[in-house]
Amino acid sequence: EVQLVESGGGLVQPGGSLRLSCAASGFTFSNYAMSWVRQAPGKGLEWVSATGASGTSAYYADSVKGRFTISRDNSKNTLFLQMNSLGAEDTAFYYCTKDLYSSGAYYFDYWGQGALVTVSS
Amino acid sequence: AIQMTQSPSSLSASVGDRVTITCRASQAIRNDLGWYQQKPGKAPKLLIYAASTLQSGVPSRFSGSGSGTDFTLTISSLQPEDFATYYCQQNYVYPRTFGHGTKVDIK
Repeated sequence: EVQLVESGGGLVQPGGSLRLSCAASGFTFSNYAMSWVRQAPGKGLEWVSATGASGTSAYYADSVKGRFTISRDNSKNTLFLQMNSLGAEDTAFYYCTKDLYSSGAYYFDYWGQGALVTVSS
Repeated sequence: AIQMTQSPSSLSASVGDRVTITCRASQAIRNDLGWYQQKPGKAPKLLIYAASTLQSGVPSRFSGSGSGTDFTLTISSLQPEDFATYYCQQNYVYPRTFGHGTKVDIK
């Protein structure tokens, strides 16, 4: 059974940093691209970042480019999201997702339970 | 970035109704479109990918169609467990973008 378990969320002051982790199990982690998707409370979904199976490629939403860094440790089946210079607009549930590849495109076929990041003084 | 416009933003329907949600992309995206269902307090769930391919385990009352810029999600006979918010999302190009969602509630 595929499981994705996020950790590292919490309350952080504006301008601060936080690192999210996502522990994956139930599939061969090193074979799959992975992503982060966020959702502000009561709002819609926003794709944040993605990385390829090897971790050598990374993609970011314009809203987080230059502040967030996605990475992965395939030896530990773990995905990370380093978040710097956080602002109130980054307050959201952050979901780790496994990517399904089909005909040249990727889809989010498994999701974690989400980690809440709250940016507030 | 490609804009995804869903309509309607909400709808009220009864059990057994046929429900159709549309999604329009601001430029052509081939068939690189997914549909997701989200229930309150839960993570989203992939229903359909590549515009019309049903994800494993998803009931056959869900179907998707479309290509280019116009797409449709259809629920042939609405069931109680289908009351949720539905999102379309393009995977043609980065940044991947979602529609704003369609909330389906009970009439």
